[in-house]
This record gives sequence, structure tokens and C-alpha cells, in this order.
Amino acid sequence: GDSVTQMEGPVTLSEEAFLTINCTYTATGYPSLFWYVQYPGEGLQLLLKATKADDKGSNKGFEATYRKETTSFHLEKGSVQVSDSAVYFCALSRGANSKLTFGKGITLSVRP
Amino acid sequence: GEEVAQTPKHLVRGEGQKAKLYCAPIKGHSYVFWYQQVLKNEFKFLISFQNENVFDETGMPKERFSAKCLPNSPCSLEIQATKLEDSAVYFCASSQTLAGGLEQYFGPGTRLTVT
Repeated sequence: GDSVTQMEGPVTLSEEAFLTINCTYTATGYPSLFWYVQYPGEGLQLLLKATKADDKGSNKGFEATYRKETTSFHLEKGSVQVSDSAVYFCALSRGANSKLTFGKGITLSVRP
Repeated sequence: GEEVAQTPKHLVRGEGQKAKLYCAPIKGHSYVFWYQQVLKNEFKFLISFQNENVFDETGMPKERFSAKCLPNSPCSLEIQATKLEDSAVYFCASSQTLAGGLEQYFGPGTRLTVT
């Protein structure tokens, strides 16, 4: 079945540091890929998405590129802020209105 | 409304009691999804609906769990005879149909504590 693997956490960075969070997936066909973010005490918010190979999703300074050859969708940000502290989830779906399969999430803490 | 609404925010039940959670999707969204978040991070898909019809129930436990989406009413997720392992945050999400249906919009969740 489908699965998503995220790097182990938690991750602690200083403000303005470079961020990379690794995500790889296992799925047949061509799933859509997502990064969701969960701030403390809140629900999930979509951060960015990509629907086909080589697509780059971007939002709020975050980027991720859909790499079919390595089945990866790594999240990057050039300069993190304290307000980026949250739990980040990589996920996939098989298309519109299909269930999401999530990775285990990784907690990011950014210190001033 | 413009947001997915979930009630109650917190629910405490003794083991063996019934728990019922509610979800109002964004107006105009035809699909509703239920997810269970356990151990703080892990999300598990439970069930989805297209309007009042079950769309995908592959994640739904066979016993004790049931769900409905009836016209003009919030959707509901019911757990009969709760167990300690049902303690989790239950999230509802909704999506539009067709081209707009890739993004799921999540509610704030209901935290169920079984004691």
C-alpha cells in the first residue's frame, strides 16, 4: 500500500538557519504530494502541494520539488523564523477527493 | 461557513460509554473526511463521504465505530463502548469536487479522552 516516510525529529534550529525536512514516498502511479503544517493546538493547514513530476510547490518561503526518480518531496526554507515552529507533515493522495496518507510528522522548533 | 467546524472541542468519556463527534463542512463542499490523530502525531484515515453517501470506508474499524452525513445536518462520528485506545484527536476535513478537490480543509479537531 501507499506510505510516506519522514526523517526523524525533532529538529531545533536557530532563527535564519536553512531548513531541510526529508520526505520519501511509496506509491504506484502518480500520486499528488503535499506538505501540511500543524501549529500548536490547531488543525492542519496546507502549506504547499505538487501534482506531477518536477512540479515545485512553494508558499511562505517554503519549497518542495516532486522528484519521481527518487520518490521524494523534501521541504526546504532558506531562512526560518520563530513563527515557523510547528509540526510538519508530508502526505500523498491519489487525486481529487481521495484520502490523504500521512508521514509521522516532524516537530520543528526555531529559537530566537 | 468558510471554515470546517467541529464540536465539541473536548470530550471525556469513561470506558464503555458512547462518544459522538460532529463536523460541519465548508458550505458547498461535497466531500467529508474523518481522521484520527494518535500518539500526538500519527494520522489515520477513517472514512469519507460524498454528500450523504459513504465514499471510502477502508480505514474504519469494523466494530464500535460508525459515521453519518445526513442532509441539512452536521456529519457525525460515533464510537460505541469506548476503549482507552480510542483516546485521540479526531479531525474532520472537507473538499470540493472535481478540479478543486485536491485540497482538504481541516477543522480544529475534537480531543477525545477515554478514562
